[in-house]
Amino acid sequence: GQQLNQSPQSMFIQEGEDVSMNCTSSSIFNTWLWYKQDPGEGPVLLIALYKAGELTSNGRLTAQFGITRKDSFLNISASIPSDVGIYFCAGLDNTNAGKSTFGDGTTLTVKP
Amino acid sequence: GAVVSQHPSWVICKSGTSVKIECRSLDFQATTMFWYRQFPKQSLMLMATSNEGSKATYEQGVEKDKFLINHASLTLSTLTVTSAHPEDSSFYICSARPRTSGTYNEQFFGPGTRLTVL
Repeated sequence: GQQLNQSPQSMFIQEGEDVSMNCTSSSIFNTWLWYKQDPGEGPVLLIALYKAGELTSNGRLTAQFGITRKDSFLNISASIPSDVGIYFCAGLDNTNAGKSTFGDGTTLTVKP
Repeated sequence: GAVVSQHPSWVICKSGTSVKIECRSLDFQATTMFWYRQFPKQSLMLMATSNEGSKATYEQGVEKDKFLINHASLTLSTLTVTSAHPEDSSFYICSARPRTSGTYNEQFFGPGTRLTVL
């Protein structure tokens, strides 16, 4: 089946630093989604990407849909303590009954 | 907008009992809802796809008689864990795709239900 490789698995950074994480796939996706999950909560949608090459921002977050449609990255600028959590990428195509394929997540720790 | 609720948020039950978890889309209609389970420090594992008015589609390895799914309306899907055992203890999360999303494939997640089977 489809698989997503999300990296890094975890990050420990200082408050104020920028963060970058990415997902790659051997399959083409038509949609890339980025979620953040806090402990004991469901994932919250951060950014949705629909077109190859698309670059979208949401506050301090920026995500891009790779031109090959097989990758996406998420950047967080000027990190703050509340950015702590697990970030998941998810890819969708039109051939998998609308199901999302999720990456394994990137756990972000921000030191004040 | 796009709020999904789950009830209960946590449940503790005895082995052998059945537990029902509800997933509701509060401000939109969802023809498709998804049920996931998540173990600590792991990603979400899709269990089944729930389509309004039809039978759920289960992922390989998920027992449909164990995890009963009913998508009775465009705003409600339920997951019933039948004859629960300790190994069923997990975090169960639903998501819903808005009916009008068309080519837009966002899924919005509920807050999850923590199931503990003693």
